[in-house]
Amino acid sequence: NAGVTQTPKFRILKIGQSMTLQCAQDMNHNYMYWYRQDPGMGLKLIYYSVGAGITDKGEVPNGYNVSRSTTEDFPLRLELAAPSQTSVYFCASSYPGQGTDGYTFGSGTRLTVV
Amino acid sequence: KQEVTQIPAALSVPEGENLVLNCSFTDSAIYNLQWFRQDPGKGLTSLLLIQSSQREQTSGRLNASLDKSSGRSTLYIAASQPGDSATYLCAVPGAGSYQLTFGKGTKLSVIP
Repeated sequence: NAGVTQTPKFRILKIGQSMTLQCAQDMNHNYMYWYRQDPGMGLKLIYYSVGAGITDKGEVPNGYNVSRSTTEDFPLRLELAAPSQTSVYFCASSYPGQGTDGYTFGSGTRLTVV
Repeated sequence: KQEVTQIPAALSVPEGENLVLNCSFTDSAIYNLQWFRQDPGKGLTSLLLIQSSQREQTSGRLNASLDKSSGRSTLYIAASQPGDSATYLCAVPGAGSYQLTFGKGTKLSVIP
């Protein structure tokens, strides 16, 4: 089915380790986003991209990096994992300049840093 | 900065009841508002998207309304079922951008 695919679904990291969260969409959406969701809190935007080669910081970018080499893929990199990065991470995509079709979210990656 | 508030934070109702979830936002300069459903340990599923030019949007037993001038939206669920138990989130694009600002959600429990 078309949509947003995230991998892995679960991951446990040790403090100081690095990892990349993968996100891919097959709907030809130009806009892609990474959000994190902490218990009892709303989703917070980490980074977003309006097209291949273009990325920008969201509300909580510290400790993360992104790249957008293709329209389909938008990986999120954690360089030095910290306990504060324990969270559920969601990738999303949308049509640019319209918002008429809303946002499509992936199923999430649950990350624990110990 | 756009802020989104959802009331109540949690709601428990008996099966068959009609119910209303509330969402308010501080900046009325939005071009749409979206309601999502999130099941425990799962991702977000889009329920309804209301454009700023619309006042209502319906899908099955769900009806969402939007009043931009007052900064409010409601999600009405008719004849609730245990399968409706989930957390419901509303979200609006931030001012001047397509990034979504989310409320913290309303956790709904429908008791059989």
